[in-house]
Amino acid sequence: DADVTQTPRNRITKTGKRIMLECSQTKGHDRMYWYRQDPGLGLRLIYYSFDVKDINKGEISDGYSVSRQAQAKFSLSLESAIPNQTALYFCATSDSPYNEQFFGPGTRLTVL
Amino acid sequence: QKEVEQNSGPLSVPEGAIASLNCTYSDRGSQSFFWYRQYSGKSPELIMFIYSNGDKEDGRFTAQLNKASQYVSLLIRDSQPSDSATYLCAVEYNNAGNMLTFGGGTRLMVKP
Repeated sequence: DADVTQTPRNRITKTGKRIMLECSQTKGHDRMYWYRQDPGLGLRLIYYSFDVKDINKGEISDGYSVSRQAQAKFSLSLESAIPNQTALYFCATSDSPYNEQFFGPGTRLTVL
Repeated sequence: QKEVEQNSGPLSVPEGAIASLNCTYSDRGSQSFFWYRQYSGKSPELIMFIYSNGDKEDGRFTAQLNKASQYVSLLIRDSQPSDSATYLCAVEYNNAGNMLTFGGGTRLMVKP
């Protein structure tokens, strides 16, 4: 089984709908991250969390919110989806500031 | 402003040649540097990391770091068609937080 999983893998929704993307990990890492990827723009950080009680905004948090339900679960919500939130979304985990981040398989979100 | 710049490519090399991928960054205080490989539609996976000036070799891959000039590069020797992917440079800008800033990626094409 994959160490970092994301659900759903693909989602098509309409403008104004509320959407939740979920991330679960079995690596036992405290640090979890949400990124979005747009063509040619690399990965941009939306939110990050160092433990259940510590959640921080990243570079592009406007229009998004998160919830860290447990060490292993970190969810990303779009309260009212808009078309420019169409992107590939990745969850990642790490165990320390100096080690690699492990990425989930991604969720492809399309907002019509 | 934190910036990580990469040539978007595509960089095309013949099979067996050396592929050279470059990345520049703007913050002189950066301490950790990562190269991720991303196949189309897949999640990024770590290829190399480097913390100290100089070269670091791992199999066919060599990472080179020059902090004075603020660039990091990745050399791929004996390039194979399976190396065709997008390579993302990531720079850690906050030692305490492991916040990575990603470049836009360079697409590498290795032609048989």
